[in-house]
Amino acid sequence: AQSVTQPDIHITVSEGASLELRCNYSYGATPYLFWYVQSPGQGLQLLLKYFSGDTLVQGIKGFEAEFKRSQSSFNLRKPSVHWSDAAEYFCAVGARDNAGNMLTFGGGTRLMVKP
Amino acid sequence: DAMVIQNPRYQVTQFGKPVTLSCSQTLNHNVMYWYQQKSSQAPKLLFHYYDKDFNNEADTPDNFQSRRPNTSFCFLDIRSPGLGDAAMYLCATSRPRGLGQSTDTQYFGPGTRLTVL
Repeated sequence: AQSVTQPDIHITVSEGASLELRCNYSYGATPYLFWYVQSPGQGLQLLLKYFSGDTLVQGIKGFEAEFKRSQSSFNLRKPSVHWSDAAEYFCAVGARDNAGNMLTFGGGTRLMVKP
Repeated sequence: DAMVIQNPRYQVTQFGKPVTLSCSQTLNHNVMYWYQQKSSQAPKLLFHYYDKDFNNEADTPDNFQSRRPNTSFCFLDIRSPGLGDAAMYLCATSRPRGLGQSTDTQYFGPGTRLTVL
């Protein structure tokens, strides 16, 4: 079974600073990988996804993520954080070859942005 | 805009009083999911429908049931809510990429926050 680890429960960055949120997954084959963002009291919004091809994927709101097979990682980055980016971020993995498997989420990283 | 809609956004019920949460979608996706998300935790899948086929997660309590009368609508029924069922309930939809591949991009609704008094 697949699993996802987001090592950082909370991260605080200053507005305008760069951001990297870590995500490590465990799965035997090439997975589907996703990053979602959740603002307080809201549902999950898809930021970006990786299925195949270019390992650097661009998403909405200026986010990007890089799939590194050798490190089993899919870290999320943004060069300059805005105060509106404060939210909870979830990394998720989906199994590619099991029809019965759903998304497995990491525990989430709460991002706080200092003015 | 095509979307996933959940009603109501906030639901208050009494301990033991049945409650139904609603999800509708205009994406024409054939898979619909229900997740439970407790405070500061990741969403936890309760069950999903692949077309009319119901798939229950092994650890979903019997207290939780679901109905999908048509492609657009899916309901979550909690027969006897307990205090531990207070949570955000998220509905999501997806369209599989091919036969036998149920994993695909899931699109989430805004959620229903359930309070149990």
